[in-house]
Amino acid sequence: GEDVEQSLFLSVREGDSSVINCTYTDSSSTYLYWYKQEPGAGLQLLTYIFSNMDMKQDQRLTVLLNKKDKHLSLRIADTQTGDSAIYFCADPSGGGYNKLIFGAGTRLAVHP
Amino acid sequence: NAGVTQTPKFQVLKTGQSMTLQCAQDMNHNSMYWYRQDPGMGLRLIYYSASEGTTDKGEVPNGYNVSRLNKREFSLRLESAAPSQTSVYFCASSEAGFGRATPATEAFFGQGTRLTVV
Repeated sequence: GEDVEQSLFLSVREGDSSVINCTYTDSSSTYLYWYKQEPGAGLQLLTYIFSNMDMKQDQRLTVLLNKKDKHLSLRIADTQTGDSAIYFCADPSGGGYNKLIFGAGTRLAVHP
Repeated sequence: NAGVTQTPKFQVLKTGQSMTLQCAQDMNHNSMYWYRQDPGMGLRLIYYSASEGTTDKGEVPNGYNVSRLNKREFSLRLESAAPSQTSVYFCASSEAGFGRATPATEAFFGQGTRLTVV
């Protein structure tokens, strides 16, 4: 079945760049998504990328997509303590099945 | 704007008890979802409703039932709670689904219900 995999933890120093990686199995998706979950809250859409694009930049965020390897990454430049959260990549599954499959989430810890 | 509202926020149940988690959205969205979040496993889809009047199973439907009461409300029922159902439950909604032909779609999430079954 469809699967989305992420590493569980990432620790970075404030001001450094963070790179969160994700691999997925369903290559038919039109869009791939990144969601952010702050402590005690629900998920919020952070950004997304169209499957025909290799890269999308949005202020401090850069999304890279390698369709051949089914690899998605999220780069956060100049990481701040406010970026500490869990980041989920999400893949719509199975085309037409109307559901979003999430990875396990990567917990990003930003330290001084 | 309320967005997606879930009740209750916290609940403790004894094994075998039943309860219903309520969810309502005020964005006139067609699709609604129930997820559970467990440590190290991310969010797993329990049930979804593509539109008013329809419901379908997700990845982990066993032990749950749902009702799409109207366009706004989508409830999740645990008929006989088990310790394995201890989790954080999230309701979400989206204007459209996530099929291949649809444009980029945002799912809006509620604040979650933390359920403990003892």
